[in-house]
Amino acid sequence: EVQVVESGGGLIQPGGSLRLSCAVSGFTVSSNSLSWVRQAPGKGLEWVSVIYAGGHTYNADSVEGRFTFSRDTSKNTVYLQMNSLRAEDTAMYYCARDYYGALNYWGQGTLVTVSA
Amino acid sequence: EIVMTQSPGTLSVSPGERVTLSCRASQRLSSNLAWYQQKPSQAPRLLIYGASTRATGIPARFSGSGSGTEFTLTISSLQSEDFAVYYCYQYNDWPPGFGQGTKLEIK
Repeated sequence: EVQVVESGGGLIQPGGSLRLSCAVSGFTVSSNSLSWVRQAPGKGLEWVSVIYAGGHTYNADSVEGRFTFSRDTSKNTVYLQMNSLRAEDTAMYYCARDYYGALNYWGQGTLVTVSA
Repeated sequence: EIVMTQSPGTLSVSPGERVTLSCRASQRLSSNLAWYQQKPSQAPRLLIYGASTRATGIPARFSGSGSGTEFTLTISSLQSEDFAVYYCYQYNDWPPGFGQGTKLEIK
């Protein structure tokens, strides 16, 4: 059974850093691509970042230079390191498995609130 | 960057009705388009990928069609559990992106 479980969200001050985790089971992070998608309160979905099976990562322009996507294959877990956080980064962050480009398995999300 | 525009923003319909949701891309896509359903306080759920292929476990009343810049999601007979927000998502071009969503509400 496929499971995707995010953690690490919380309340953080502007300019601070946070690391989100996404632990998966039922597939391996070394052989699959995963994406982070976020949703600001009451708003739509925004694609944020991807890590491909080969290890390459790409970010949306809105987070480029501030967010870093990485993985630990021994723990079957991926991470989103978020630095220089801004109020506009406040959102529910979802981790999802990439299936030929579409995102077919999603976690329940972890909430990040950036506020003084 | 491809802009995805969904219409209408909100649709009021009655259970049992047939409904069609639209998604327009600012540039031509191949068939690299997906549809998602999201209910309050839940993660999005993949319904359709490849513009017209139903994801595993998705009922046959959901169907997707379209090509180029115009895509549609059709629900043949609305059930109570179908009232939700629907998003289209293009993964044909960089960066991938979502439409702004269409909310289906009970009339």
